[in-house]
Amino acid sequence: QQQVKQSPQSLIVQKGGISIINCAYENTAFDYFPWYQQFPGKGPALLIAIRPDVSEKKEGRFTISFNKSAKQFSLHIMDSQPGDSATYFCAARWGSQGNLIFGKGTKLSVKP
Amino acid sequence: NAGVTQTPKFRILKIGQSMTLQCTQDMNHNYMYWYRQDPGMGLKLIYYSVGAGITDKGEVPNGYNVSRSTTEDFPLRLELAAPSQTSVYFCASSPDPYRDRGEQYFGPGTRLTVT
Repeated sequence: QQQVKQSPQSLIVQKGGISIINCAYENTAFDYFPWYQQFPGKGPALLIAIRPDVSEKKEGRFTISFNKSAKQFSLHIMDSQPGDSATYFCAARWGSQGNLIFGKGTKLSVKP
Repeated sequence: NAGVTQTPKFRILKIGQSMTLQCTQDMNHNYMYWYRQDPGMGLKLIYYSVGAGITDKGEVPNGYNVSRSTTEDFPLRLELAAPSQTSVYFCASSPDPYRDRGEQYFGPGTRLTVT
């Protein structure tokens, strides 16, 4: 199955809280899982990424947790800030050309 | 470096008209991509290119055409525009999807409305 299922579609979090976005996949041929962040009116930009042989990747306040057996991965944003308000896309890389399949996106709003 | 630039930023087309969306990158990237983004639907790959003179279809190529005569430019052609092509179009480039973080660098997008 060439798709990545992302949830929730939207998320409202208070400043200082933890934001959690989940993704699931079926295709075990996916070999790399990036997250992209998109601000209104802008193109997406790479935020953080993980390989399937690693269970966790942390960069600052952003952490990816990866469960290979369950074919699930999630983005955790610690100490969420209003500046984190954006749409987040999970993705999966596949094929010899390394194309990406994107989830449908999660619109995060962090309230002050 | 300007990165990935796209023109125009906005365009309104009438049904049946044609147009070309321009994309240029100044990072000497071999890989280039065109995506469309519809509300709540994520990004769908239209066409991609792995180098000058080489293009291939993505997930949703119908109604579009591309060419890649130089490393820098990757124009997207819409022939006989239809309301279903109303979307935001993003061009992206990558040095190598299997190198480093495999990052794709996106342009600012073109918002197209077909009425």
